[in-house]
Amino acid sequence: EAGVAQSPRYKIIEKRQSVAFWCNPISGHATLYWYQQILGQGPKLLIQFQNNGVVDDSQLPKDRFSAERLKGVDSTLKIQPAKLEDSAVYLCASSPDRDRRIYGYTFGSGTRLTVV
Amino acid sequence: LAKTTQPISMDSYEGQEVNITCSHNNIATNDYITWYQQFPSQGPRFIIQGYKTKVTNEVASLFIPADRKSSTLSLPRVSLSDTAVYYCLVVGDSSYKLIFGSGTRLLVRP
Repeated sequence: EAGVAQSPRYKIIEKRQSVAFWCNPISGHATLYWYQQILGQGPKLLIQFQNNGVVDDSQLPKDRFSAERLKGVDSTLKIQPAKLEDSAVYLCASSPDRDRRIYGYTFGSGTRLTVV
Repeated sequence: LAKTTQPISMDSYEGQEVNITCSHNNIATNDYITWYQQFPSQGPRFIIQGYKTKVTNEVASLFIPADRKSSTLSLPRVSLSDTAVYYCLVVGDSSYKLIFGSGTRLLVRP
């Protein structure tokens, strides 16, 4: 079974520029999550999708962050414009509707963003 | 969701058993306890989950006392490759939302 795919692996941009991250979840996983992990901290949930609908985006800074999951499969997370404090690893995870208690979430390796 | 408290860091040596205890005093009746492991430059990886008593898989054991206000992750005979951050999380049965704390940084020495 293929894992959660994320790209790019690394990205360096200047502040006020825009950036987009892509995630392809495990096939058949209805739920998709984006997390932000700042160095030395645990991951912080940004947004949760169920199929192509948003379940929870309460922690998403909507003035600069946006996310979409068209057709209920892959997803993109965008930052526009980026700030220095957005430097972090952006993790995508997916989980099945059933048996989440058995299998948990599956995370990708993340995209490391550096804003200079 | 119940807040969890776990040690910031732990040191061990190869071949030893490591026990990481997590407290979750406000755990609700329908909440589960789950543990994730994270290596540098990787996303967290699901290790084990339980509701009460003891759960064991090929990676670890999870001990949960009757009052469920704490839990202990046990890693038998650790190796250098077990050096990682270990997160204890309490998840609701219906929402199943993972809210991470800072985790425990385990360093295994030769």
